[in-house]
Amino acid sequence: DAMVIQNPRYQVTQFGKPVTLSCSQTLNHNVMYWYQQKSSQAPKLLFHYYDKDFNNEADTPDNFQSRRPNTSFCFLDIRSPGLGDAAMYLCATSRVMIGTGSAYEQYFGPGTRLTVT
Amino acid sequence: AQSVTQPDIHITVSEGASLELRCNYSYGATPYLFWYVQSPGQGLQLLLKYFSGDTLVQGIKGFEAEFKRSQSSFNLRKPSVHWSDAAEYFCAVGAPTGGFKTIFGAGTRLFVKA
Repeated sequence: DAMVIQNPRYQVTQFGKPVTLSCSQTLNHNVMYWYQQKSSQAPKLLFHYYDKDFNNEADTPDNFQSRRPNTSFCFLDIRSPGLGDAAMYLCATSRVMIGTGSAYEQYFGPGTRLTVT
Repeated sequence: AQSVTQPDIHITVSEGASLELRCNYSYGATPYLFWYVQSPGQGLQLLLKYFSGDTLVQGIKGFEAEFKRSQSSFNLRKPSVHWSDAAEYFCAVGAPTGGFKTIFGAGTRLFVKA
């Protein structure tokens, strides 16, 4: 089945130690998103790629970076994790089809739970 | 700016009872509307969507939602709730300004009692 895969599902890192989360998709969607979700809150968009075009949210800290080397993969890099970065990180995809709302129909991975010690 | 309001932080219903989760949106044109469900420790799963046409849309797991333009609402309903429906539900609206972003409501936590 076509899907969005996130690895690892659980990640423990130390305060200040760089960490990378990965996302891959077999849907061949041209948009990929990274969200941060804290307990009992809505997902918060960090950034998204439309093909190779990177779109950063204005309030996303510089500590968060992203790479999309090809259509299938997207990475979230946290350069110096702080205790406040402990959260669930969700990857999502969508497909832009001009004239439809499909670009906003997002498919989510299972998430990576990040713990910072 | 687009926004989504889910007035109920949490709702408790008895198993077998009907369910309605409220969602109001703010958007100038015809919106693209979605409902997602999230089980604990999982990602979000799309339940249903509204783009245009018939204002009553059917989704997975027996859910339906009705788009009411006059009330700026897109309420989610299910005639008979099962214990497995206990989860967090998010209403969302597509936001055509500033890229392909979706605005999520704060979510409603559904508890199901036996």
